Amino acid sequence: GESVGLHLPTLSVQEGDNSIINCAYSNSASDYFIWYKQESGKGPQFIIDIRSNMDKRQGQRVTVLLNKTVKHLSLQIAATQPGDSAVYFCAEEGTDKLIFGTGTRLQVFP
Amino acid sequence: DGGITQSPKYLFRKEGQNVTLSCEQNLNHDAMYWYRQDPGQGLRLIYYSQIVNDFQKGDIAEGYSVSREKKESFPLTVTSAQKNPTAFYLCASTNPDGGYGYTFGSGTRLTVV
Repeated sequence: GESVGLHLPTLSVQEGDNSIINCAYSNSASDYFIWYKQESGKGPQFIIDIRSNMDKRQGQRVTVLLNKTVKHLSLQIAATQPGDSAVYFCAEEGTDKLIFGTGTRLQVFP
Repeated sequence: DGGITQSPKYLFRKEGQNVTLSCEQNLNHDAMYWYRQDPGQGLRLIYYSQIVNDFQKGDIAEGYSVSREKKESFPLTVTSAQKNPTAFYLCASTNPDGGYGYTFGSGTRLTVV
């Protein structure tokens, strides 16, 4: 749903493990969803997107899963690396604008 | 290379002073957006514009103003009415029918001194 300035939840994973970041969205009519990665002090960068007519989409080391029944989106990162450490945001297409989730901080430890 | 440029990267403002943050894009995008991000928090929408000479308030527009005189440019003014302006400001652009969401700038960090 809308970002309301809440402090970010954190996911800590060991290097080489798989990471799963979850997101709940608000509008069952939303047709388009995106995951962004934001490194410290930088702007968010596009990772992967998915339309509502799909349940799963794969990229390089990343997979997005969409469960429309429960309005849930997840980002899976395979073989997590130190360079994956960042804040991850989901976004859903709203009227005239994207609606961003609160974000999750991913910390990768050796 | 096409992209979206924000300047300056760091900006310091005295209390009671207005400051303007620049956002320029050469992606030929119609829509542009300004977000505020506080430390350890998510993105909050300040203003957005879908076409030249038109813009709409976002969720936290109070104390801010914008203009959209050119398609490429969407400057944000942080006025003295904004009581807590210290934050990281992000500009983004997109085409409404685009399939890849927003392209973001690298941000401006504003600090009140």
